[in-house]
Amino acid sequence: AQSVTQLDSQVPVFEEAPVELRCNYSSSVSVYLFWYVQYPNQGLQLLLKYLSGSTLVESINGFEAEFNKSQTSFHLRKPSVHISDTAEYFCAVSEWKAAGNKLTFGGGTRVLVKP
Amino acid sequence: DAGVTQSPTHLIKTRGQQVTLRCSPKSGHDTVSWYQQALGQGPQFIFQYYEEEERQRGNFPDRFSGHQFPNYSSELNVNALLLGDSALYLCASSLETGEETQYFGPGTRLLVL
Repeated sequence: AQSVTQLDSQVPVFEEAPVELRCNYSSSVSVYLFWYVQYPNQGLQLLLKYLSGSTLVESINGFEAEFNKSQTSFHLRKPSVHISDTAEYFCAVSEWKAAGNKLTFGGGTRVLVKP
Repeated sequence: DAGVTQSPTHLIKTRGQQVTLRCSPKSGHDTVSWYQQALGQGPQFIFQYYEEEERQRGNFPDRFSGHQFPNYSSELNVNALLLGDSALYLCASSLETGEETQYFGPGTRLLVL
């Protein structure tokens, strides 16, 4: 069985400051890793993903995440946040099997960007 | 390019009733997954449909059932509703072959009174 732990339930941060959201996972097999963002009263939007190749992945809006296999982590970072980054962020993993690719999510980290 | 759509957006039911939620996948996608997101929690996997069959199921009782139609759209049915079924129900679609990414719809918020 796989599991995901997001170590911080809430992260307050000032505008233009850096932010790091921590994600650790547990799995007995290789995984794919994802970060999704959820704005209030909306569904989930894919932020970035690691499937294979370079362990550092980037999104179009300045976020990046690094896959660390030895530490089973996939932390999300942004060097300078904006008010519009206020949202809840979910880390998720999937194990590719013949029977499907269900996602297992962490509990989420709520980011509140203050002016 | 139409994304994942879900209907209705909101729903209020009473305990013991039955509910049906609907999902249309992203254009070109053939696999549909359903998730339940309780308030303040991460989404929990309910089940996944591919080729009109339930392929994978999470830890949910048999009161939760589904269906996939030949056009790849899907329904989630919940019988004998409990107060604890109140949640945001998310549908996600993906392609069986190719990138391993699920794309989510806006969700249906269900309130059970």
